Parts: sequence; C-alpha cells; structure tokens
Amino acid sequence: NAGVTQTPKFRVLKTGQSMTLLCAQDMNHEYMYWYRQDPGMGLRLIHYSVGEGTTAKGEVPDGYNVSRLKKQNFLLGLESAAPSQTSVYFCASSISYEQYFGPGTRLTVT
Amino acid sequence: KNEVEQSPQNLTAQEGEFITINCSYSVGISALHWLQQHPGGGIVSLFMLSSGKKKHGRLIATINIQEKHSSLHITASHPRDSAVYICAVRANAGNNRKLIWGLGTSLAVNP
Repeated sequence: NAGVTQTPKFRVLKTGQSMTLLCAQDMNHEYMYWYRQDPGMGLRLIHYSVGEGTTAKGEVPDGYNVSRLKKQNFLLGLESAAPSQTSVYFCASSISYEQYFGPGTRLTVT
Repeated sequence: KNEVEQSPQNLTAQEGEFITINCSYSVGISALHWLQQHPGGGIVSLFMLSSGKKKHGRLIATINIQEKHSSLHITASHPRDSAVYICAVRANAGNNRKLIWGLGTSLAVNP
C-alpha cells in the first residue's frame, strides 16, 4: 500500500498561472481533505469530500476548487495563483476519524 | 485566542529526559488527536483519545475532559523524537469531520 500520495512534491508558479495538485489514496477511504500549512498557523482546511462525487468548503476555500470524480483521487485546483497561496499543501484521507496524510506539496507563487 | 493552545511552543531536551507537551482547548469535544510532523514534513497520527490514557511504546497520551486538557509524554527521549507535535480536537458541535488544530510544539532532543 502506498497510502496517500501527492503530486507534485514541489512547484513554482508565476502569479496568474493555474495548476492542479493531485492526491491519491489506495485505502478505499471515503473522506478526503485538503489543508494548507503556513508558518505560525495551524493546519487550515481548504476543502473536503465525504465521498465520490461530493465536495464541501472548509475554512479557507477562496481561490481553490476541488473535484472528486473517483473515490481514490481528490484534486485541488488553483485557477489563478496568487502569492498568498504560497504554502505547503497536505492531503489527507480517513475512513473513521483518524486521518492519514500525504507527504505534502510545497508551492511557491512568485 | 486559539481554541486549541499548546505549550510549550518550543522545547529542547537531552537524550533520556522525560518530556511533557500540553494541549488545552476551549470547546466541547468528542475526541482529541495527537500527531507528529517530522522535519521533511510528513504528518503521522499518534493517538486519538476521548477519555483516559493511551500508550504506544515510549509515548503516553492522557486527557482530562472536565479540565479540557491533554498531555503527551515521551519517556526516555531520543534524538529521533525530534519533531513538531500537534494537538487537534474534534468539536462535538457542528461538522465533526473537521478538526481544530493547535500550532504545534517543536521538540529538539539533543544526544
């Protein structure tokens, strides 16, 4: 089992560019989450999904969109990147209440 | 004021010392989680507890629901325990799939 994987691991974008972060899990988990982690702040929930085909907003959804077309994949999109979106992005999945995290994607927007 | 407060923010210890990290919260909860984040970034769940005490190897987590407080203890600390330890709570009101996160305690264990 690979657990939760994220691609890419690193990315540098210019302001206004778009990109998609991919999260994949092979544990058949229903729930998936996207977080961002910034210095001096706790993890903040961007969007989450309670099952295939469903998505919901978290605390900081603005500027991001998500899709869960397949149960094992949860995509996070940035349509027009801004420097404020420079962060480390973590994906997680869960079947009960314990969350399993991916290794993170470090995104820099210049 | 954050709903989940951890103390200390930073902690340096010598190998072999007994370590305590504290977490206080201000909301009613259904469960509390302790997680570990290593340099390099990966986050791993250590404990999920709603009452009492849990032990795994050299790690012990306790919670006092009445006092809204939890502690994470590390016995016989080792340099490989150096990491950020994060407390998160699941509130018992609203969407209980969401966690409220503490800011973490950065632990360095010196040989």
